[in-house]
Amino acid sequence: NAGVTQTPKFQVLKTGQSMTLQCAQDMNHNSMYWYRQDPGMGLRLIYYSASEGTTDKGEVPNGYNVSRLNKREFSLRLESAAPSQTSVYFCASSDLDDYGYTFGSGTRLTVV
Amino acid sequence: AQTVTQSQPEMSVQEAETVTLSCTYDTSESDYYLFWYKQPPSRQMILVIRQEAYKQQNATENRFSVNFQKAAKSFSLKISDSQLGDAAMYFCAYRRPLYTGTASKLTFGTGTRLQVTL
Repeated sequence: NAGVTQTPKFQVLKTGQSMTLQCAQDMNHNSMYWYRQDPGMGLRLIYYSASEGTTDKGEVPNGYNVSRLNKREFSLRLESAAPSQTSVYFCASSDLDDYGYTFGSGTRLTVV
Repeated sequence: AQTVTQSQPEMSVQEAETVTLSCTYDTSESDYYLFWYKQPPSRQMILVIRQEAYKQQNATENRFSVNFQKAAKSFSLKISDSQLGDAAMYFCAYRRPLYTGTASKLTFGTGTRLQVTL
């Protein structure tokens, strides 16, 4: 099925470990986004990529890095995980129109 | 910066009844888009309904409709004939138009958890 694919779906990390969350979309969308969802705080934008080759910080970028590998793929890296990064992470994409996003199914990350 | 406020953390409705979820937003712009997303326990984010600010007519999608009050900056979601499958977290979201030159970033409210009872 067409859409946004995120891997992994679940992950447990120890404090200080690193990992990369992968995201790929097959809809030929230009823009891609990474959000985190925390209880009582809604979804907050971490980083986004308006088009291939560009990335920009969102509302909560500290502790994260991103790579727009090509038009399809947008990865999120945690270099040194901290318990405060325990969250559900969503990748999303959108096209050059004014409709909403297509979301991935999310990654539940726990940092112990 | 735009902000979106959902003042009802939790709501409850009986099956077949009608419920209204509230959303207010703050913006200095005249043109924008508003959305309601549903997040069931599966965690998937599902677009429920979309409203363009330049349209005076309220959007409707089957049992879902909105009450868009531009002057009051209010965007409420009405769910009619509620069903058990409507139980979910609902998020209101705001987005600037693409012609403003910004990436189409969505700003979300904190969500309202809707419980549907028999």
